[in-house]
Amino acid sequence: GAVVSQHPSRVICKSGTSVKIECRSLDFQATTMFWYRQFPKQSLMLMATSNEGSKATYEQGVEKDKFLINHASLTLSTLTVTSAHPEDSSFYICSASGVGGQGGTDTQYFGPGTRLTVL
Amino acid sequence: AQSVTQLGSHVSVSEGALVLLRCNYSSSVPPYLFWYVQYPNQGLQLLLKYTTGATLVKGINGFEAEFKKSETSFHLTKPSAHMSDAAEYFCAVSDRQHHPSGSRLTFGEGTQLTVNP
Repeated sequence: GAVVSQHPSRVICKSGTSVKIECRSLDFQATTMFWYRQFPKQSLMLMATSNEGSKATYEQGVEKDKFLINHASLTLSTLTVTSAHPEDSSFYICSASGVGGQGGTDTQYFGPGTRLTVL
Repeated sequence: AQSVTQLGSHVSVSEGALVLLRCNYSSSVPPYLFWYVQYPNQGLQLLLKYTTGATLVKGINGFEAEFKKSETSFHLTKPSAHMSDAAEYFCAVSDRQHHPSGSRLTFGEGTQLTVNP
């Protein structure tokens, strides 16, 4: 149990377009989902935390109007990068914690990540 | 506030040798501690975690870690390295905040493990 999927795994888009990334918990109810960004050879940077049915909490310095997060159900959260620019190119990883996972609410389970390239 | 320091951004061992990846933490509350492994272009996989109880924690793939409160450490070990262990390893500490905000993880900078044949 405790499997998290992300889609797509890789996306290339033109500057100015919007990209949506989906994060799904496949076998447990994710009361909380997290979105991270990771630059090459670096650690994960938390962008925002979302709880099902409520607005996301963004970390300082993360533009909420640029990175739209929706957590409409207990198994799905989406991150939309609006008006993407080359500097938004990165590896985006989601994680989920909640009820039914092996570790309960204290453990985050990570998706496989999405590689975004903005041309 | 929490912080994690991983000593050594790169560790190289021979196949069959002991693996030791160091992690020290700072936490204002009794910590929940985690080790994750990341293979290239993939997400993070949970290796093991410490919350309460036994301070020696066993995880997947033969890894284990020992929580030492007096040393504020949570070092990861494996008796015998395998080529497939080559990856990036992250130590993390939880702020243990519960719903609705959710527990947040603070990660170390990561340690790249290389296993030589």
